[in-house]
Amino acid sequence: EAGVTQSPTHLIKTRGQQATLRCSPISGHTSVYWYQQALGLGLQFLLWYDEGEERNRGNFPPRFSGRQFPNYSSELNVNALELEDSALYLCATRRDEKLFFGSGTQLSVL
Amino acid sequence: GENVEQHPSTLSVQEGDSAVIKCTYSDSASNYFPWYKQELGKGPQLIIDIRSNVGEKKDQRIAVTLNKTAKHFSLHITETQPEDSAVYFCAARISMDMRFGAGTRLTVKP
Repeated sequence: EAGVTQSPTHLIKTRGQQATLRCSPISGHTSVYWYQQALGLGLQFLLWYDEGEERNRGNFPPRFSGRQFPNYSSELNVNALELEDSALYLCATRRDEKLFFGSGTQLSVL
Repeated sequence: GENVEQHPSTLSVQEGDSAVIKCTYSDSASNYFPWYKQELGKGPQLIIDIRSNVGEKKDQRIAVTLNKTAKHFSLHITETQPEDSAVYFCAARISMDMRFGAGTRLTVKP
């Protein structure tokens, strides 16, 4: 069974640009979660999608947004990038109560 | 929302010793408590979990204990090995919302 896949692995942007991160869930998993992991910090909850709908969002500004497609894959968009957005962005999918994580996209904002 | 605190932030042990990581949670409605291990360059991987109707669970060298009254749970690793070196995260779930502790960097010295 293929795991959660994220692309790209690394992404370098400059301040003010937009970033798009992608996530493909494990087959059969319909819920997608996005987390931000800044250097030396824990996992901060960003967004939760299920069956194409946004179900919950964390304490992040509106320039963090996303969507879930009919095949349950998901995109995370970050507009007007700021230096502090530099972090590892992790996608996870859920089966029952268990979360399964991808390896993340390392976003660097210069 | 749920708040999860994790201690210590760093832990160094000699190979063969035991390691204990502790977490507390704030919402008594939380009912599922997983532990994740994150190795360098990888996403977090589920290593053990416990539900609120169970006090203890073991899986080989790893065990988790839960005290619902005190709202804390702990990860115990016995006979530590160098490959146990990683960052460990606890988490607590209420409904479909999973919140994580800040992580513990465990170093096992050979």
